[in-house]
Amino acid sequence: QVQLQESGPGLVKPSQTLSLTCSVSGGSISSGPYYWNWIRQPAGKTLEWIGRIYTNGNTDYNPSFRSRVTMLLDTSRNHLSLKLTSVTAADTAVYYCARRASGEGWFDPWGLGTLVSVSS
Amino acid sequence: QSVLTQPPSVSGAPGQRVTISCTGSRSNIGAGYDVQWYQQVPGTAPKLLIYDNTNRPSGVPERFSGSKSGTSASLAITGLQAEDEADYYCQSYDDTLSGSGVFGGGTKLTVL
Repeated sequence: QVQLQESGPGLVKPSQTLSLTCSVSGGSISSGPYYWNWIRQPAGKTLEWIGRIYTNGNTDYNPSFRSRVTMLLDTSRNHLSLKLTSVTAADTAVYYCARRASGEGWFDPWGLGTLVSVSS
Repeated sequence: QSVLTQPPSVSGAPGQRVTISCTGSRSNIGAGYDVQWYQQVPGTAPKLLIYDNTNRPSGVPERFSGSKSGTSASLAITGLQAEDEADYYCQSYDDTLSGSGVFGGGTKLTVL
């Protein structure tokens, strides 16, 4: 059973770069075909899809984040990464990674999430 | 403001039936994209409840059912139980956002 776990700094200063990783266990990120997604949720608010990276490394980003986001796969470490540049307080949220099988529309499984606060 | 509109809250007594609506438009649900539903207990990650409009993953009780018609979808919960108290989110895709995944604003279910 595939399990995902996000990790990274819990505090980032404004204008800096937010960097997170999602470690995958119980399966290889290069098997699939799967899309590996990042989704975030500010406190008390709804979920927001940030983007996805395919098994072959191709990416698709939410237009709202396209100029600031980079997603990568590291097959040697079996994890994916998220970088979000020029962060502001509005980027404070719980960040989740989630898997979606190609040809299917749902996200499952999800990681536990990691809280990132943007503050000086 | 979310692309998919849900009521902020619904409530019901134990044993009752409640429904949660998810209203979209011709660029998302109306474009033929399927709808998923997730249950989120505060402080935990969302859990897939319904996929492809009507299907339940293994382990999800039959009390939960989904439907879709036109530009809207609904989640119904029958035989309400205290453990059903959570936030519920619908999810689909939207052509105007380059096929991005989109979520509803979420509905807080309170079991009275």
